[in-house]
Amino acid sequence: DTGVSQDPRHKITKRGQNVTFRCDPISEHNRLYWYRQTLGQGPEFLTYFQNEAQLEKSRLLSDRFSAERPKGSFSTLEIQRTEQGDSAMYLCASSHRQGVRNTEAFFGQGTRLTVV
Amino acid sequence: QKEVEQDPGPLSVPEGAIVSLNCTYSNSAFQYFMWYRQYSRKGPELLMYTYSSGNKEDGRFTAQVDKSSKYISLFIRDSQPSDSATYLCAMSEWGILTGGGNKLTFGTGTQLKVEL
Repeated sequence: DTGVSQDPRHKITKRGQNVTFRCDPISEHNRLYWYRQTLGQGPEFLTYFQNEAQLEKSRLLSDRFSAERPKGSFSTLEIQRTEQGDSAMYLCASSHRQGVRNTEAFFGQGTRLTVV
Repeated sequence: QKEVEQDPGPLSVPEGAIVSLNCTYSNSAFQYFMWYRQYSRKGPELLMYTYSSGNKEDGRFTAQVDKSSKYISLFIRDSQPSDSATYLCAMSEWGILTGGGNKLTFGTGTQLKVEL
């Protein structure tokens, strides 16, 4: 297991286009998180899944953003009608919850989005 | 006011120095504290985690938590040029009964440079 994998690593898109990112968590991790990180800032929480259920969404996640984890394994994050303000690093993390305990979260390398 | 405050630096130290990195927080519900290291254009990498007041040591790294003061620190002994990176503190509510999991709230990160 090589850790959390994200694809693509870099994406340049024109304003108004739709983009989709993929995240493959560490196998057997049942929790998956999406964060956004802009230059000079720490990551900001967007949403998280436990298995296939999306349990929480940040108010940062506008209607143009949608995330799915259809089979409780990989996840996709789609941004519709991209805006220049969407330019950021999109980070995926995974952890495992068993009973009342969570493991720590492990992050992928991120997908860097540039909207031109 | 942000929930987690962290001096962004940059902090420049000579090789071999002891480095002290700090965060303060305002949310008393935070129970779980982490330090991540992030190299340029990479995802955050977990360094230390703790969920109690006091010190935790791992090699050259010591994490310190003072819940009464809402203050956490990371100390790096015998700093090396390879330690040059951005250090992010992160926190989460334990959420045992609500199942909130470990959604993380990050500081802005402190940029550290260790010079030869």
